[in-house]
Amino acid sequence: EPEVTQTPSHQVTQMGQEVILRCVPISNHLYFYWYRQILGQKVEFLVSFYNNEISEKSEIFDDQFSVERPDGSNFTLKIRSTKLEDSAMYFCASSQGKGNQPQHFGDGTRLSIL
Amino acid sequence: AQSVTQPDIHITVSEGASLELRCNYSYGATPYLFWYVQSPGQGLQLLLKYFSGDTLVQGIKGFEAEFKRSQSSFNLRKPSVHWSDAAEYFCAVGASTGANNLFFGTGTRLTVIP
Repeated sequence: EPEVTQTPSHQVTQMGQEVILRCVPISNHLYFYWYRQILGQKVEFLVSFYNNEISEKSEIFDDQFSVERPDGSNFTLKIRSTKLEDSAMYFCASSQGKGNQPQHFGDGTRLSIL
Repeated sequence: AQSVTQPDIHITVSEGASLELRCNYSYGATPYLFWYVQSPGQGLQLLLKYFSGDTLVQGIKGFEAEFKRSQSSFNLRKPSVHWSDAAEYFCAVGASTGANNLFFGTGTRLTVIP
């Protein structure tokens, strides 16, 4: 069964540094998402992406965050200047369509900011 | 905006016993409802989904869930729990119109004792 793959599985970064989290969505999916889960808290939506542009974003997704689909397979989340509070598990997801098309999640990247 | 409440943070059941995990949602229209499971160190795996039609939906691994509009609930059930079911379970709600992001509950951790 096709999967969403995320790399790296764990990223340790100094505060203030830039970090890029990478995702390869399922190949025939058109909608891509990033969510995060701070330790002990709920999974929170960050951003959705369709047709090479952001379709929705949450309040969390401020100017420090950006997303990109640099080629036909990768979908990346960049955090420009990381803060301690960015430490979390970041999940990428993809779906074939909106609404009643389920989102399929990757295994996540654990981001630790020192 | 949508929201999800999972009132049980942690549940412990004996192997072979029945299981019910509670989920209540808040949404003004007919919601799209999902249950995901997260095993340690892994991503979110879709167990089942409800969009419309039959309010009792069957999922993978022997799980089922029942949508009750009058109670705004979507409880997850399994008649006989296996040790491998130990994991974190997340209920999520999506909108049937408009934005495509999911709103997750805080999760219920299931422990299975032999």
